[in-house]
Amino acid sequence: KAGVTQTPRYLIKTRGQQVTLSCSPISGHRSVSWYQQTPGQGLQFLFEYFSETQRNKGNFPGRFSGRQFSNSRSEMNVSTLELGDSALYLCASSLLGHSNTGELFFGEGSRLTVL
Amino acid sequence: AQTVTQSQPEMSVQEAETVTLSCTYDTSENNYYLFWYKQPPSRQMILVIRQEAYKQQNATENRFSVNFQKAAKSFSLKISDSQLGDTAMYFCASTGANSKLTFGKGITLSVRP
Repeated sequence: KAGVTQTPRYLIKTRGQQVTLSCSPISGHRSVSWYQQTPGQGLQFLFEYFSETQRNKGNFPGRFSGRQFSNSRSEMNVSTLELGDSALYLCASSLLGHSNTGELFFGEGSRLTVL
Repeated sequence: AQTVTQSQPEMSVQEAETVTLSCTYDTSENNYYLFWYKQPPSRQMILVIRQEAYKQQNATENRFSVNFQKAAKSFSLKISDSQLGDTAMYFCASTGANSKLTFGKGITLSVRP
């Protein structure tokens, strides 16, 4: 069974640009969550999508957005990039979502560098 | 707000020895789950162990076990017979309102040969 796939793995952007990251969950998983990982802040929850609906949202500005398609694949978009957006963006899928079982399956991440 | 605190940024242990990673949390939920996730260098994060708060018995998974002290809101991870492959960043996490998962800032564990 294929794992969670994130593309691209690495990318470099400049301030003011926008970026779109993609995540394909494990087959059959309906929930996709996104996290931002930085050395100083650790993992911070961005949002969760379940069956194409945003179910949970973290405390990030509106420049961060996402969506989920009918095949459960998800994209997140960051507009008007700032230097502080440089981070590893992790996607995680699960069967039922941020349920109490909590087992998330993570992708390898997309490392974004903003210059 | 839900918080998870890992106060040690890094630790080191000799191969074959035992190491304990600390974690404290704060939650207003009555029923919640606690987790330890492992993130090896440049590899995917994986679940190590899970504890259901309403269960008093500490969870164990092979060489990994937890010491869950509910009253103290403490959830430490013990790794026995440490192996080189245990070198990784370890994150403590807990579920909270709306089942959102909150992570600690992580601890970098190095296993020395």
